[in-house]
Amino acid sequence: DGGITQSPKYLFRKEGQNVTLSCEQNLNHDAMYWYRQDPGQGLRLIYYSQIVNDFQKGDIAEGYSVSREKKESFPLTVTSAQKNPTAFYLCASSMIVIRGATFYNEQFFGPGTRLTVL
Amino acid sequence: AQSVTQPDIHITVSEGASLELRCNYSYGATPYLFWYVQSPGQGLQLLLKYFSGDTLVQGIKGFEAEFKRSQSSFNLRKPSVHWSDAAEYFCAVGPLFSGGYNKLIFGAGTRLAVHP
Repeated sequence: DGGITQSPKYLFRKEGQNVTLSCEQNLNHDAMYWYRQDPGQGLRLIYYSQIVNDFQKGDIAEGYSVSREKKESFPLTVTSAQKNPTAFYLCASSMIVIRGATFYNEQFFGPGTRLTVL
Repeated sequence: AQSVTQPDIHITVSEGASLELRCNYSYGATPYLFWYVQSPGQGLQLLLKYFSGDTLVQGIKGFEAEFKRSQSSFNLRKPSVHWSDAAEYFCAVGPLFSGGYNKLIFGAGTRLAVHP
């Protein structure tokens, strides 16, 4: 089955440590995204990547880093510079959908990773 | 400024009752609109989307939404709620014709509780 996998589901980290969250997709999507979700704030975009070896900062990139060495993979590193890293992290990928003269992107989401800093 | 507002943080309905979740957006370009649902500790699942054509769109699980351009709204409805509909619902807006990627703007979400 095609889909997006994120691992681990739960992650605990001590303050001052870097940690990497995994995101893999087998949907053959070009674009991938990382979001952070906090209670009552919806989803906020951290980083996105349109193609391999290219990525752009989103709205809240400070304290995070990413890489895109393969089309299928878009890992997110939460560094010690992130002041408040405890959150639920969601990875997504998107495909272009063509409907006649219209085209748009449709995002699909992974199951998420809950990161807790102790 | 581009934004999505979901005025209701929490809604409680009885099983079998009708449901309407509100979504208002502010967007400068031609928007396309989504509703997603999230069960606790899970990812987001797409319920439905609107990008053009008929302003009443049907989605999965018996949900529908109506796009009203004059009111900048995209409210989600269901005629009869089931206990399994208890979840958090997110409205999102993004640009059409965006090419290789799109940046979605999400509302803060509405948490739905269903009484038996």
